[in-house]
Formats: sequence, C-alpha cells, structure tokens
Amino acid sequence: DAGITQSPRHKVTETGTPVTLRCHQTENHRYMYWYRQDPGHGLRLIHYSYGVKDTDKGEVSDGYSVSRSKTEDFLLTLESATSSQTSVYFCAISLLGGESSVHNEQFFGPGTRLTVL
Amino acid sequence: KQEVTQIPAALSVPEGENLVLNCSFTDSAIYNLQWFRQDPGKGLTSLLLIQSSQREQTSGRLNASLDKSSGRSTLYIAASQPGDSATYLCAVRGGTVDNDMRFGAGTRLTVK
Repeated sequence: DAGITQSPRHKVTETGTPVTLRCHQTENHRYMYWYRQDPGHGLRLIHYSYGVKDTDKGEVSDGYSVSRSKTEDFLLTLESATSSQTSVYFCAISLLGGESSVHNEQFFGPGTRLTVL
Repeated sequence: KQEVTQIPAALSVPEGENLVLNCSFTDSAIYNLQWFRQDPGKGLTSLLLIQSSQREQTSGRLNASLDKSSGRSTLYIAASQPGDSATYLCAVRGGTVDNDMRFGAGTRLTVK
C-alpha cells in the first residue's frame, strides 16, 4: 500500500467553525490531491498541488483552501464549514510524467468522514 | 468538460462468471485512464492504469482495454469470486499531465 495517511479519520463539527484536514505521504511523490466523494456525484477534485507551495484549483474549490509547506504534507482547510461540505474527503498522490505507468498511477488515502451539523 | 459514465450502476452475477464493466468518456483527448476498486467505507485501490498510447493492460484475472476513438474502456474480470464484490470506478485524466482526473460514478458489483 502507498504510504498515505489522513487525519482525522472522522470529524463532527458545527456550521461556521474552521476545519483542517491533513494528508501525509511517505512516498516523496510530487503531486497531491484532495477529492470529495458524495452519493450521486462520485469523486470530484477540490484542489491539487504539483510541488511545495504550488497549488491549483479543481472542479469544486469554492469554500476550500489548501497549503503545502513540505513535500509530505498537504492540508485542506474549510474556513467556515457549511452543511453542504459534509462528505468523505480523500487525499491522493502520484508522481506523474513520462510514459511509465508507474509514474502516472494515482494512489488514495483511507479517507476522512466529515459531518457538519 | 469531460464526462465519464459507467453503466450499469449495479451488477449481480453468480460466482465463476466472466464479466465486463463498461466506462465511456466524452473527450477522446486523454492522457490516461485508471480503474479502481472501492470497498464499502474504504479508500480507492488502484487496479490498472492504461496510458493513452496503450490498448490494454492485464493484472491477474483483470484485463482493461482502451479505445480512445470511441471513448470507451472495459474492465474484464475472469472467473469472478465473492471477494470481487465491490464498487469499481474508472477515472480519466485529460490531455496533459497536469489535467485533473474525472471519475465515473462507479459500478457496484456483487458476486454471489
């Protein structure tokens, strides 16, 4: 299994509170991603990072911010959580580049289940 | 915008049957396509990745094919087992290496 951990694994919070989810990898992969998974929508990309301090928006980035100060850590922050952000959040990593499948495969963490009341 | 569709949404088969899962995508200018397995309450496990220049990939009882021109991929599972029961997702990365992946909603497979 790829060395990806997410913390916390479960969190219940109230509307309007800030929440930070952490993704940690031990693979030294360049690319890191945050997705959310919701019934009826599948997985959707929130933000991704292509290097330390290099990030970009995904399909559903509104209400979320990210930071990557070290290769191994990628943080997802909900500045003021809303009930619509109740979801399962997955972190993923990949090397990317070149024609090698080894480099382009995306690996996922175990997920964080977030409930916003 | 790339749209990825997986049909059927659910499939039930008897043990030992060979089966095919389908994935279709609207934009043929893809970088690669990846098949995943997801067990209930768990993360995604990568099964196979096909680069845009490849036609198929095989791993054990699994074989994935890619036909970019028709916007289709199939995942073939031979001699299905109860342990194969899970949701299978396909995901397509767009035309450049930095493009994000678009996921299908998945096919929930039950092997009885």
